[in-house]
Amino acid sequence: NAGVMQNPRHLVRRRGQEARLRCSPMKGHSHVYWYRQLPEEGLKFMVYLQKENIIDESGMPKERFSAEFPKEGPSILRIQQVVRGDSAAYFCASSPRTDEQYFGPGTRLTVT
Amino acid sequence: GESVGLHLPTLSVQEGDNSIINCAYSNSASDYFIWYKQESGKGPQFIIDIRSNMDKRQGQRVTVLLNKTVKHLSLQIAATQPGDSAVYFCAEKVRGGSQGNLIFGKGTKLSVKP
Repeated sequence: NAGVMQNPRHLVRRRGQEARLRCSPMKGHSHVYWYRQLPEEGLKFMVYLQKENIIDESGMPKERFSAEFPKEGPSILRIQQVVRGDSAAYFCASSPRTDEQYFGPGTRLTVT
Repeated sequence: GESVGLHLPTLSVQEGDNSIINCAYSNSASDYFIWYKQESGKGPQFIIDIRSNMDKRQGQRVTVLLNKTVKHLSLQIAATQPGDSAVYFCAEKVRGGSQGNLIFGKGTKLSVKP
């Protein structure tokens, strides 16, 4: 049973470009969560999705950030017009229910 | 501010010794807690969890203790090995809070000396 998959593992974008981060949950998991981690810090919750629905986006910045989890395919976190402050590791987690969360390897975004 | 915090940012132990990593939380409404291990360049790895109706839970070489009176959580690792070297995070979930939202502490770095 494959774990949570994320791609790309590393992403470099220039300021103003768009970043798309993908997450495939574990088989049988219908809950997906996105977190952001700055160096030497803990993870900060961004958004919680179920298939085709955003359940909680209280941690998402109001502008430039969006997330989706379509009926078919991976969940996508999209960051438009990236700025240097968006540089961080972005982790996706999945769960069969709302408690245990299993994390992917993360995408490390660098904005130059 | 964060409701989950750690007493010690770094912990250095000798191989074979037992390790204890501590975590304090401030929200008495938290009812679920998880410990994660994160190695450099990797995602957090689930270690063990505990619900607020329990005081203690054991896994393989690990034990989590929950003291609700003082809002304290600890992770005990028996016979610590070099492979245990990593950053350990505690995370909490608040009952009735933002659905699915785990609140993470800043982490404790465990260094195991051979």
